[in-house]
Order: sequence, then structure tokens, then C-alpha cells
Amino acid sequence: GNSVTQMEGPVTLSEEAFLTINCTYTATGYPSLFWYVQYPGEGLQLLLKATKADDKGSNKGFEATYRKETTSFHLEKGSVQVSDSAVYFCALSDGTGANSKLTFGKGITLSVRP
Amino acid sequence: GAGVSQSPSNKVTEKGKDVELRCDPISGHTALYWYRQRLGQGLEFLIYFQGNSAPDKSGLPSDRFSAERTGESVSTLTIQRTQQEDSAVYLCASSLFDSGANVLTFGAGSRLTVL
Repeated sequence: GNSVTQMEGPVTLSEEAFLTINCTYTATGYPSLFWYVQYPGEGLQLLLKATKADDKGSNKGFEATYRKETTSFHLEKGSVQVSDSAVYFCALSDGTGANSKLTFGKGITLSVRP
Repeated sequence: GAGVSQSPSNKVTEKGKDVELRCDPISGHTALYWYRQRLGQGLEFLIYFQGNSAPDKSGLPSDRFSAERTGESVSTLTIQRTQQEDSAVYLCASSLFDSGANVLTFGAGSRLTVL
């Protein structure tokens, strides 16, 4: 079945540091890939997405590139801020169109120190 | 409404009692999902409704769990004879197929504590 594997956490960085959060997946077919973020005390919200190989999703300075050859969708940001402290979830959708559900990784907690 | 609304936001119950959790999806979103998030864990898929199709119940952990949805509106997740391991945040999401991807919008969740 489909699965998403995220690197173990938590991750603690200083402000302005470079961030990489690894995500790899196992899926049949060609899933869409997502990063969701959960800020303290808030619900999950979509951060970025990519729907086909070599697509790059980007938002709020974060980027992730859909790498079919390595089945990866690593999240990167060049300079993190304290406000980026949150839990980050990698996810994939199985199937196409509206008839698909999302499979999530376990999430990783990012803490950014001033 | 503007977002996905869930109620109650917090529920404390005694072991063995039944609970009902409610989800109001975004108007016009045909798909509705329930997920469970245990402390320190990822999101665990429970059940998925899409329009008038039969729901995908493959994630329900036991027959104590059930869910209903009326048309394309409100959904209720029911847990019968609650156990301590049912303690978790129950998340509801609805979705709109957008730009080639199924994008989920989540509610704030219902935190269930079983004593």
C-alpha cells in the first residue's frame, strides 16, 4: 500500500539557518504530493503541493521538488524564522481527481530559536 | 461556512460511554474525511465520503467506530463504548479538486479524552 516516511525529529534550528526536512514515499501510479503545516494551537493547513514529476511547489519561502526517480519530496527553506516553528507533515494522494484520500507521514516538529 | 467547523472542540468522557463528534464541511466540497491524531503520532485515516458513492471505511479501527454523512453536508463520527486508547484529536477535512490535486481543508479538531 501507499506510505510516506519522514525523517525523525524533532529538529531545532537557529533563526536564519537552512532547513531540509526529508520525505520519501511509496505509491502505485503517480500520486500528488503535499506538505501540510500545523502551527501551535491551529489546525492543519496546506503549505505547498506538486502534482507531477519534476514539479516544484513553493510557498512562504519553502520549496519542495517532486522527484520520481528517488521517490522523494524534501522540504527546504533557505532562512528559517521563529514563526516557522510548527509540525510539518508530508502527504500523498492515492489515485486521481476528487476520488482520492491522503496518506500522511508521522510529522516532524520544527523549533526555531531566536 | 468559511471553513470546516467541528464540535465539540473538547470532550472528556468516561470509559464505556458513547460519543458523537460533528463536522460541518465547507459548502460545495463534495468530499469529507475523518482522521485521528494521537499524541506524538501522525494522522491516521479513518473514513472518507465522496458525493453519493459508498464511503471508504477502510481506516476505521474497530466496529465501535462509525460515521454518517447526510448528502454533501454535515457528518457525525460516533464512537461506542469508548476506551482509553480512543483518546486523540479527531480531525475532519473537506476537499475541493483544485489544479490537478485533491486539496484538503482541515477543521480545528475535536480533542477526545477518555478517562
